[in-house]
Amino acid sequence: AQSVTQLGSHVSVSEGALVLLRCNYSSSVPPYLFWYVQYPNQGLQLLLKYTSAATLVKGINGFEAEFKKSETSFHLTKPSAHMSDAAEYFCAVNTGNQFYFGTGTSLTVIP
Amino acid sequence: NAGVTQTPKFQVLKTGQSMTLQCAQDMNHEYMSWYRQDPGMGLRLIHYSVGAGITDQGEVPNGYNVSRSTTEDFPLRLLSAAPSQTSVYFCASSYLGAEAFFGQGTRLTVV
Repeated sequence: AQSVTQLGSHVSVSEGALVLLRCNYSSSVPPYLFWYVQYPNQGLQLLLKYTSAATLVKGINGFEAEFKKSETSFHLTKPSAHMSDAAEYFCAVNTGNQFYFGTGTSLTVIP
Repeated sequence: NAGVTQTPKFQVLKTGQSMTLQCAQDMNHEYMSWYRQDPGMGLRLIHYSVGAGITDQGEVPNGYNVSRSTTEDFPLRLLSAAPSQTSVYFCASSYLGAEAFFGQGTRLTVV
């Protein structure tokens, strides 16, 4: 069965510091991969997606993610954290007819 | 386009009551799904549908029922509400293999 693992349920960074949120998936073939962000009391919003065109994917708000097949990873990064980045982040895998979500990482940005 | 519309936004039920959470999308997506979100558990798939007339169970289907009579609508029925069904519910839709679009969620409390 497909699974998505997000390492670290809570991550804290200082404003201006690098953001790194980790995601690993289990799949015998590269699936469709996504990162979503959820602000308090809101639905999920797509940050970026990997669909095999390029291994480095750029998303909204300065986020990007790199697909590494050998490591089955799709980690999310942002060079410089902003206070407005504080939110819950979810990694997700789409195998064609089902989405699988990680348990989420809550990002805190310290002023 | 309205995207994915969920109603109601908030609901309080008494144990044993039944209700239907509504979900509609106007993007002609084949795939629709329902998730529940609980603290520390990410999003768990309840039921999904790959087209009108086709539904299937997800990870946590017990106590819930769905039908898909049209492409646009995918209601979720709680047959006999229990306190364990207190959660935030999200409906999502997508083309098969593509990113999911989420509704704003329904916050359900069962007392």
